[in-house]
Amino acid sequence: EVQLVESGGGLVQPGRSLRLSCAASGFTFDDYAMHWVRQAPGKGLEWVSGISWNSGSIGYADSVKGRFTISRDNAKNSLYLQMNSLRAEDTALYYCAKDLYEFRELGPFDYWGQGTLVTVSS
Amino acid sequence: DIQMTQSPSSVSASVGDRVTITCRASQGISSWLAWYQQKPGKAPKLLIYAASSLQSGVPSRFSGSGSGTDFTLTISSLQPEDFATYYCQQANSFPQTFGQGTKVEIK
Repeated sequence: EVQLVESGGGLVQPGRSLRLSCAASGFTFDDYAMHWVRQAPGKGLEWVSGISWNSGSIGYADSVKGRFTISRDNAKNSLYLQMNSLRAEDTALYYCAKDLYEFRELGPFDYWGQGTLVTVSS
Repeated sequence: DIQMTQSPSSVSASVGDRVTITCRASQGISSWLAWYQQKPGKAPKLLIYAASSLQSGVPSRFSGSGSGTDFTLTISSLQPEDFATYYCQQANSFPQTFGQGTKVEIK
């Protein structure tokens, strides 16, 4: 059974940093691209960042480019999102999601975690 | 970036009704279009990928069609468990943009 478990969310002041993690199990992690998608309270879905199976291709939404860094450790079956210079508008539930296709990094996403909440407030 | 526009933003329907949601891409995306269902407090669930392929385990009352810029999600006979918000997503290029969502409500 595929499982994605996010952690690392919490309350943080504007301008500070936070690192999210996603522990994956139940599939061959290093065959699939992985993504972060967020959802602000009461709002729609926003793709944040994605990383190919071998970390050779990485993409970011314009809203986080230059502030967020995605990475993965295939030996640990883990995905990460380093979030710097956080802003109030980054407040959201952050989901980790698995790409449907092997060796492609553009989605769609067939498995999602339950999300970790990031609140940016002073 | 490719913009995805869904319509309507909400629809009121009764059990047994046929419901159609449309999604338009700002530029051609071939068949790289997916549909998701999201219920309150839950993660999104993949329903349709490649515009018309039904994800494993999804009831056959859900269907998708379209290519290029115009796409449709159809629920042939609405069931109580189908009341939710539906999103389209383009999977053609970075960033993989979502539509703004369509809320299907009970009439």
